[in-house]
Amino acid sequence: GAVVSQHPSRVICKSGTSVKIECRSLDFQATTMFWYRQFPKQSLMLMATSNEGSKATYEQGVEKDKFLINHASLTLSTLTVTSAHPEDSSFYICSAYRGPGELFFGEGSRLTVL
Amino acid sequence: DAKTTQPPSMDCAEGRAANLPCNHSTISGNEYVYWYRQIHSQGPQYIIHGLKNNETNEMASLIITEDRKSSTLILPHATLRDTAVYYCIGQGFGNEKLTFGTGTRLTIIP
Repeated sequence: GAVVSQHPSRVICKSGTSVKIECRSLDFQATTMFWYRQFPKQSLMLMATSNEGSKATYEQGVEKDKFLINHASLTLSTLTVTSAHPEDSSFYICSAYRGPGELFFGEGSRLTVL
Repeated sequence: DAKTTQPPSMDCAEGRAANLPCNHSTISGNEYVYWYRQIHSQGPQYIIHGLKNNETNEMASLIITEDRKSSTLILPHATLRDTAVYYCIGQGFGNEKLTFGTGTRLTIIP
């Protein structure tokens, strides 16, 4: 199957700093990627849809100025958590869309904000 | 998107078939049933999807009732590595903005 890679897999940062997470589709081009957040023992919650060459579409309740998404190329989307706080600590997961019925997920990135 | 209902947890003995049920009574005619699983601290993994007919691949079988109001995912010979949360999702084909429910936590018992 197709491969989607996230980096870093784990990151610890101090409160108030910004953290960037990368999502790459390694063997296909993805015009659309999705970002999810998952708190412990909860399900995945969709945060936003990332579209190559255009602005991301955010789900209701997700602050677009706090979670900056950039989809500058067909193989890379980035999520930047700005001015991170302890409540932003979570497991962030991306997925990349290759075609109908073909959605591939990254391994996830665990963010811990101290 | 169709609302799906799954039992919160299930146990299955290693080597036995694991049968995971899912109710999706409001699914519309053009919505597919997708199954994903998530092993602890990893991203979701695609398992299988279907519309009306039963489907089988190297990982699992999907049995969909004739009225399409429910389905069952079957792992024919469960191993310890199948311990995971399994998600059943009703979604229009080509609409990959998946909405995850709470899923079923499957534990394979040695």
